[in-house]
Amino acid sequence: DQQVKQNSPSLSVQEGRISILNCDYTNSMFDYFLWYKKYPAEGPTFLISISSIKDKNEDGRFTVFLNKSAKHLSLHIVPSQPGDSAVYFCAASAQGGSEKLVFGKGTKLTVNP
Amino acid sequence: EAGVTQFPSHSVIEKGQTVTLRCDPISGHDNLYWYRRVMGKEIKFLLHFVKESKQDESGMPNNRFLAERTGGTYSTLKVQPAELEDSGVYFCASSPWTGEQFFGPGTRLTVL
Repeated sequence: DQQVKQNSPSLSVQEGRISILNCDYTNSMFDYFLWYKKYPAEGPTFLISISSIKDKNEDGRFTVFLNKSAKHLSLHIVPSQPGDSAVYFCAASAQGGSEKLVFGKGTKLTVNP
Repeated sequence: EAGVTQFPSHSVIEKGQTVTLRCDPISGHDNLYWYRRVMGKEIKFLLHFVKESKQDESGMPNNRFLAERTGGTYSTLKVQPAELEDSGVYFCASSPWTGEQFFGPGTRLTVL
């Protein structure tokens, strides 16, 4: 039973446009959400996080939105750059992020020049 | 500041052999986690140390896997005896008390 779902295995966007990656979760105990970026043969790299007490967190070109009632979060990348091409994992945790991370299957983003 | 390091980067062993993976967390991080990604699937939790104590080992697949963190610094994950289905990439992560977890580059284990 997947508790964190990323229903789009892949996404392709043009350089300079917005990339929107989506994630849904089922466990109401999750209160901390993270996005990781992963290049081949490397470990996941932390991008941005959001606590359940917020509905938006922004860091440069990256913004994460959280809709608790819908159990949905999204990552917006504006503007998208070719270097953003990677696999993006959504992850969730309980207890304010001190517990294990539960990951989605990932979305492969390709940003075309 | 050095990140999380893992050794070896790759390991190829035969079924029935033993392999030990090592993780060095970021200095000062009390929390250390092991995860595994098998066959391109999602990254799955194995266990969580707080200092030298096992906080949560609910993700350990069976008793062929043994994790230790003596002294609360580096950790080892031993697989004995290894089976074909143990192949995958093993990631270690560390974190301060709460917040984001920082991942190492992973150890790619291939069991033939």
